[in-house]
Amino acid sequence: NAGVTQTPKFQVLKTGQSMTLQCAQDMNHNSMYWYRQDPGMGLRLIYYSASEGTTDKGEVPNGYNVSRLNKREFSLRLESAAPSQTSVYFCASSEDRAYGYTFGSGTRLTVV
Amino acid sequence: KNEVEQSPQNLTAQEGEFITINCSYSVGISALHWLQQHPGGGIVSLFMLSSGKKKHGRLIATINIQEKHSSLHITASHPRDSAVYICAVRPGANNLFFGTGTRLTVIP
Repeated sequence: NAGVTQTPKFQVLKTGQSMTLQCAQDMNHNSMYWYRQDPGMGLRLIYYSASEGTTDKGEVPNGYNVSRLNKREFSLRLESAAPSQTSVYFCASSEDRAYGYTFGSGTRLTVV
Repeated sequence: KNEVEQSPQNLTAQEGEFITINCSYSVGISALHWLQQHPGGGIVSLFMLSSGKKKHGRLIATINIQEKHSSLHITASHPRDSAVYICAVRPGANNLFFGTGTRLTVIP
């Protein structure tokens, strides 16, 4: 099925460990996004990529890095995980402003 | 300060009831989105609108740009409609501001 695929679905890290969240879309969308969702708060934008080869910071970029590897893939890296990064992470893509967003199924990350 | 406010935060309804979820926002926008998040977490886009009204099945979304307000209506609600409904607004090029969601429970 066409859509946005995120891996892994669940992950537990120790403080200071690193990891990369993977995201791939097969809809040929230009724009891709990483959001985090925390209890009692709306989703917040971490980073986005408006096109292949470009990335920009969102509202909460500290502690994260991203790579737009090609048009399909947009990865999110935590270099040194902290408990404050415990959250559910969503990747999303869109064609452009005229269209809606397609979300991945989410990654539940716990940092202990 | 939250640019998007939803009400109510929680809503319980009997099957068959007409449901309204409200969204107010404080910024100028180019579009407003309604999303649905089921237990288990996946997020599905329901509507994107910039004016007027859209309908899909039993769901209707309206927006009043002048009043900075949108509503999501569900007619003949069903237990499978139980989910969190999220309003998000797009003020500019590449970001959405999200509400905290309305948790809907429909009881058989």
